Amino acid sequence: GDSVTQMEGPVTLSEEAFLTINCTYTATGYPSLFWYVQYPGEGLQLLLKATKADDKGSNKGFEATYRKETTSFHLEKGSVQVSDSAVYFCALSGSARQLTFGSGTQLTVLP
Amino acid sequence: DADVTQTPRNRITKTGKRIMLECSQTKGHDRMYWYRQDPGLGLRLIYYSFDVKDINKGEISDGYSVSRQAQAKFSLSLESAIPNQTALYFCATSEPTGKGYTFGSGTRLTVV
Repeated sequence: GDSVTQMEGPVTLSEEAFLTINCTYTATGYPSLFWYVQYPGEGLQLLLKATKADDKGSNKGFEATYRKETTSFHLEKGSVQVSDSAVYFCALSGSARQLTFGSGTQLTVLP
Repeated sequence: DADVTQTPRNRITKTGKRIMLECSQTKGHDRMYWYRQDPGLGLRLIYYSFDVKDINKGEISDGYSVSRQAQAKFSLSLESAIPNQTALYFCATSEPTGKGYTFGSGTRLTVV
């Protein structure tokens, strides 16, 4: 079945540092890929998505590129802020059109 | 008003009690879902419904039941709560393509 493997956390960075959170997936066919963010005490919000190979999703300075050859969708940001502290989830929507989530990565950004 | 509303936001209940978590949505979508979040495990699918007459078990449905009362309402029940059902529960709705999900703010359930 479909699965998502996500970089284990927690990740702690200083403000303005570069962020990478790794995500790889296993799925049949051509899934859509997503990054969701969960701020403390809140539900999940869609951060960005990509629906086909080589697509780049971007939002709020975050980017991720759908790499079919490496089955990856790594999340990057060039300069993190304290307000980016949250839990980040990689997810895919496959042939069953349901979301399968990774385990989540806790990011803490220190001032 | 939020697009997806969950009630209650927090609940503490005793082992063996029956409890219902409620979810309503204003997105007008047919598809609704219940997920459970545990630390280090991400979100796991409990039940999903593609329309009022179509309800399906997810990855971890044992110990849970659901009711789809209307297009906008999807409730989750724990018939006899046990401590390992302590978790954060999320309701969601999506477009038919499965590419646009909207989540509620979650219900934090503690079973003592």
